[in-house]
Amino acid sequence: DIVLTQSPATLSLSPGERATLSCRASQSVSNSLAWYQQKPGQAPRLLIYDASNRATGIPPRFSGSGFGTDFTLTISSLEPEDFAVYYCQQRSSWPLLTFGGGTKVEIK
Amino acid sequence: EVQLLESGGGLVQPGGSLRLSCAASGFRFSSHAMTWVRQAPGKGLEWVSGISSSDGSIHYADSVKGRFTISRDSSKNTLYLQLDSLRVEDTAVYYCAKCPGYQYYYMDAWGKGTTVTVSS
Repeated sequence: DIVLTQSPATLSLSPGERATLSCRASQSVSNSLAWYQQKPGQAPRLLIYDASNRATGIPPRFSGSGFGTDFTLTISSLEPEDFAVYYCQQRSSWPLLTFGGGTKVEIK
Repeated sequence: EVQLLESGGGLVQPGGSLRLSCAASGFRFSSHAMTWVRQAPGKGLEWVSGISSSDGSIHYADSVKGRFTISRDSSKNTLYLQLDSLRVEDTAVYYCAKCPGYQYYYMDAWGKGTTVTVSS
């Protein structure tokens, strides 16, 4: 099974700062990785797919990069609505899908 | 507008059964793969099951294989998940999610979820 490890577990930042979230796979997943945002009490929302493609309606301050085992989600300048939990998900081991454990971005 | 509305959750004893439903609207249901994803209280996301729209192929996470059954009825635009032999560790919010294409790779729309509590 492919394990996704996200770091840090919690990121404490202020609005306007840059956020850098990491997702590391236990083996190569090529570019088959997505990122989701989840706010308290809400369902997840797709942000990025295939490592670097923004989903429909996602603002350009969100960007994804990486290939193989190391991936990054960057939020260039945090808006108040960006404080949430972020998950990565791989599809390389389809038909089995796995998620990372999540990174919480909280207000400092 | 894509809408997914789950129902059927509730409190059930260990060993019991439930049937979850997900009513879909706002897109061509028959053309999209669908999945179920769950989230235990205070925990992360766990993919549970997926069903393709191209060939109807079905797959499950090892944690639910042999106990859960996914199905879809395109005439009713509804996705189902039959939960049998429930365990305490199946307690979670269950989300229905739509995939962009025929295979379930990523999930581009989610319902609000339905809560399943397994407890004696």
